[in-house]
Amino acid sequence: GNSVTQMEGPVTLSEEAFLTINCTYTATGYPSLFWYVQYPGEGLQLLLKATKADDKGSNKGFEATYRKETTSFHLEKGSVQVSDSAVYFCALKVDTNAGKSTFGDGTTLTVKP
Amino acid sequence: DTAVSQTPKYLVTQMGNDKSIKCEQNLGHDTMYWYKQDSKKFLKIMFSYNNKELIINETVPNRFSPKSPDKAHLNLHINSLELGDSAVYFCASSQDRAPYGYTFGSGTRLTVV
Repeated sequence: GNSVTQMEGPVTLSEEAFLTINCTYTATGYPSLFWYVQYPGEGLQLLLKATKADDKGSNKGFEATYRKETTSFHLEKGSVQVSDSAVYFCALKVDTNAGKSTFGDGTTLTVKP
Repeated sequence: DTAVSQTPKYLVTQMGNDKSIKCEQNLGHDTMYWYKQDSKKFLKIMFSYNNKELIINETVPNRFSPKSPDKAHLNLHINSLELGDSAVYFCASSQDRAPYGYTFGSGTRLTVV
């Protein structure tokens, strides 16, 4: 079956620190990979995605590279801001699963000034 | 201009009542979903519809009944509400192919007292 394992939180960083949130996956078939962000009191928003091996997704200073050899899609940002405080979800989607995405458990990030 | 809109945003009701949550998307997506998010932020898929046809029905009590009158609308009706139904319910839509991410609504926070 399909599964996504995310680094457990919560993660607390100081402003301007470097962020890594680890994500590994198992999938039947060739998945597309996604990171979603959920700000307090809001729904999830698509942050970035990658659809094939070695693709790099990027948005708002966040990056993640699709690593097929290590089945990973780690999220990184060079310098976090207080406004990045949110819950981050890694997810995968394969064509054979009726459009259903598999989500990780979410990682809560708090950035302190 | 909202892409996926859910109503109501908050719902407080007594045990045993029946309630409905409505969802509409104006993105022209083929597939719509209901997800439940618990207090630990875990996301669990409940249902998925593709062009008004039910394609995913996870292990959900049959007190929950989705209805899709057309491909732009997916409503959720819940009978005989229980305390354990308290959660945030998210509607989402997508094209069902793997490279397409989800667009989520802003959520309905259901509190059963």
